[in-house]
Amino acid sequence: QVQLVQSGADVKKPGSSVKVSCKASGGTFSNYVIVWVRQAPGQGLEWMGRIIPVFGTANYAQKFQGRVTITTDESTSTAYMELSSLRSDDTAVYYCALRDDYAYYYYGVDVWGQGTTVTVSS
Amino acid sequence: SSELTQAPSVSVSPGQTASITCSGDILGNKNACWYQQKPGQSPVLVIYQDSKRPSGIPERFSGSNSGNTATLTISGTQAMDEADYYCQAWDTSIGVFGGGTKLTVL
Repeated sequence: QVQLVQSGADVKKPGSSVKVSCKASGGTFSNYVIVWVRQAPGQGLEWMGRIIPVFGTANYAQKFQGRVTITTDESTSTAYMELSSLRSDDTAVYYCALRDDYAYYYYGVDVWGQGTTVTVSS
Repeated sequence: SSELTQAPSVSVSPGQTASITCSGDILGNKNACWYQQKPGQSPVLVIYQDSKRPSGIPERFSGSNSGNTATLTISGTQAMDEADYYCQAWDTSIGVFGGGTKLTVL
């Protein structure tokens, strides 16, 4: 059974960058589609972007274009999400999630990480 | 950009049927999926491809998609179903979430 474990909570200064990791186990990493979603305190889910490791290219929501970079390292079955030029309204829980067959990405994602709290504060 | 609209809240009595809707132009030709999220937990996929249930999701959860509106229906709602529910669809390679609906069972 596929599982995702994310890196721990982080506190950042405005204007800096954060990089969150997401390590997968129990499946074939190259088959996955991996998405990143965030949730600000008391707010709804917000889709940030996705990557299919076997292809290597990422797609980003327009809101985050130019500020977010999603990458993968197949050697360690780990995905990364880096968000730059942080602002206070980037304070949120950041989730990675996946489906273990990228051909069915439109089915939605059925494996979620535990979430990583990122706090942006001076 | 594509948008999906959900009512902020829905209330239902235990044992009754709850219906949560999600509307948006992209639903006219794209599948919807639904996530359940309880406080302090990661979301859980409860419906995919408009109406299919992942393994382990109770039969009381069902879904449909007609025109520009997707609907999540919970039959015989139980107290444990109280949660936030989010619809999601794909606009080519970009995902879109609805704003979420808080389901209260009272």
